[in-house]
Amino acid sequence: GAGVSQSPSNKVTEKGKDVELRCDPISGHTALYWYRQSLGQGLEFLIYFQGNSAPDKSGLPSDRFSAERTGGSVSTLTIQRTQQEDSAVYLCASSPPGKTQYFGPGTRLLVL
Amino acid sequence: AQSVSQHNHHVILSEAASLELGCNYSYGGTVNLFWYVQYPGQHLQLLLKYFSGDPLVKGIKGFEAEFIKSKFSFNLRKPSVQWSDTAEYFCAVKTPTDKLIFGTGTRLQVFP
Repeated sequence: GAGVSQSPSNKVTEKGKDVELRCDPISGHTALYWYRQSLGQGLEFLIYFQGNSAPDKSGLPSDRFSAERTGGSVSTLTIQRTQQEDSAVYLCASSPPGKTQYFGPGTRLLVL
Repeated sequence: AQSVSQHNHHVILSEAASLELGCNYSYGGTVNLFWYVQYPGQHLQLLLKYFSGDPLVKGIKGFEAEFIKSKFSFNLRKPSVQWSDTAEYFCAVKTPTDKLIFGTGTRLQVFP
């Protein structure tokens, strides 16, 4: 079946603008995760959803970052007032509860 | 806090050479361990995983890893690498809250 999909694949924005990144998990996967991959920080966890609730938001770097998940499926990661240090590849993964996570292709964000 | 260390940041090998990439983790409880691979221009893919049982796990493309509890290690091995193994390799441990903690990655370059 289809894997995890993310959109857009690339996003260029100006400093101070808001961006929304979308993740479509594998059908039936109740758990959804957001990670960030950047040169200086490697792969970092951001937030975890089980269904529509987020039991672990500990990785969100600041209150400019938020995420939601609706219908136990699609998730949106929103970054408000983007800064240059937000430039990174944002990865989404999904899994059945407690099982192996499967990753999407990522959204490459560049903040000018 | 849990952490993962990958001491080899960049490895250069010729085809047919043997490979061993080190991974050490810090966590005293039951661990779930993973190796993911990211080929150039592609997304993260699962190479192999250890949840329980036989500490020697076999993955795709001839890779294997050995979980040694006493050494807190989960090293990745392949007896004979190919040019197509050129990629970045990430070791990860799953926390009790299901998020993955990644190592900094090892970039492998294989020359014909």
